[in-house]
Formats: sequence, C-alpha cells, structure tokens
Amino acid sequence: DAKTTQPPSMDCAEGRAANLPCNHSTISGNEYVYWYRQIHSQGPQYIIHGLKNNETNEMASLIITEDRKSSTLILPHATLRDTAVYYCIVANNNAGNMLTFGGGTRLMVKP
Amino acid sequence: NAGVTQTPKFRILKIGQSMTLQCTQDMNHNYMYWYRQDPGMGLKLIYYSVGAGITDKGEVPNGYNVSRSTTEDFPLRLELAAPSQTSVYFCASSDSGTGYSPLHFGNGTRLTVT
Repeated sequence: DAKTTQPPSMDCAEGRAANLPCNHSTISGNEYVYWYRQIHSQGPQYIIHGLKNNETNEMASLIITEDRKSSTLILPHATLRDTAVYYCIVANNNAGNMLTFGGGTRLMVKP
Repeated sequence: NAGVTQTPKFRILKIGQSMTLQCTQDMNHNYMYWYRQDPGMGLKLIYYSVGAGITDKGEVPNGYNVSRSTTEDFPLRLELAAPSQTSVYFCASSDSGTGYSPLHFGNGTRLTVT
C-alpha cells in the first residue's frame, strides 16, 4: 500500500472549516483514499473514502487532486467534538480492508 | 446493535502471565481484526480473520494467538506477557459484501504488563 504523509498537528477555530491535507504521491491506480478519526481513548471511526472523484457525506467532504497525489479532508463547520486524530490511509478496495494506520494529524478545535 | 464489544476495558498483568482479550460483534460481519496502539502512535495489525475457522497474521503477530470458532467472536490470546505488550488493543469488524465496508472498532482494552 502507498505511504501517506500528514502534518502531525493542526488547530482550527470552532465554527470554521477544518482542512486536513494528505500527501500520497505513490498511490496506484486501484488504491482508494480513506479517512478515519480517533477521538481520545476511543476506537477509530470511519469518515469517508474516495477513488478519484470528490466525495461528500454528512460528516465531511473529500477533495482528491486530479493526479491523485494528494487529498484534503474538509470538516465544513468544526465543533469542539471534532477534536481528534485524523488518519489518511491509502489502500486498494479488496475485501479484507487491512488498513495501515500511520501517525495521523491531531486536530485541535478551539473555542 | 451493540456493535463491537471488547472486554475487559483495563487489565494489569505480571510478566509471564497469560490472558485472553475478548471481542464480539453482533453485526454478522465476516471480517474481524485485532490492532494494537502504543502511546502516541498509529495502529498496527496483529491478526485478522476473513471468516469462522480462518485466521492470518498481520504486521505484528509475535507473542499473540487468535481463534475464530464463530462469526461473532474473535479472542486474542497472550501466552507469556512481556512489558513490550503494554498497549491499547482494538478489535474491529467489517462486512464482506461488494463495495467498501468500513471498519467498526470497539473501545479498546488497555493492557499494562509489569
């Protein structure tokens, strides 16, 4: 699976959009971009995933560049409860979902 | 649905002791996984299972054993606990249908080996 690079930490003001970047320059054609987050002391939670088109759900939006070498997770109106570690993972979509969780980005939403 | 349930929540072991971390899911998922998370780090896959009776090693299987006799349960066994196994252990499950099935995680077991 391709490796991802994320900033170790970011701050965001409550109510503003949080934009979390992820670089995955070695992504291959059949690999998807997945985002999970881990709120303190809990198990990770799925947020969103995509292949090449931008995706949106009730939690977030995922913007993938045209060359697929990077992506951005957008939380449109961050709340204090969005404070968490956000993991960007690249893997193929084969059954089994053996995802590799790296260090992630620690997002701190501040009042 | 309770989702993925892990027991116990906390445990302290002495070096050389053994224990079983329990994991059960009520979503009828075929795939189950065990991860460990050391302080400040990401998650590492220990073992996984694609169905009852089938298990396979992940990235860091040494010192652990698993079994999968039913769809619901996927216990993780530590035979000879070592300080290096101090960690938070997460169990997860996912469906095996077509398309992507997100991982559903339990809330973890915090294990200290002294």
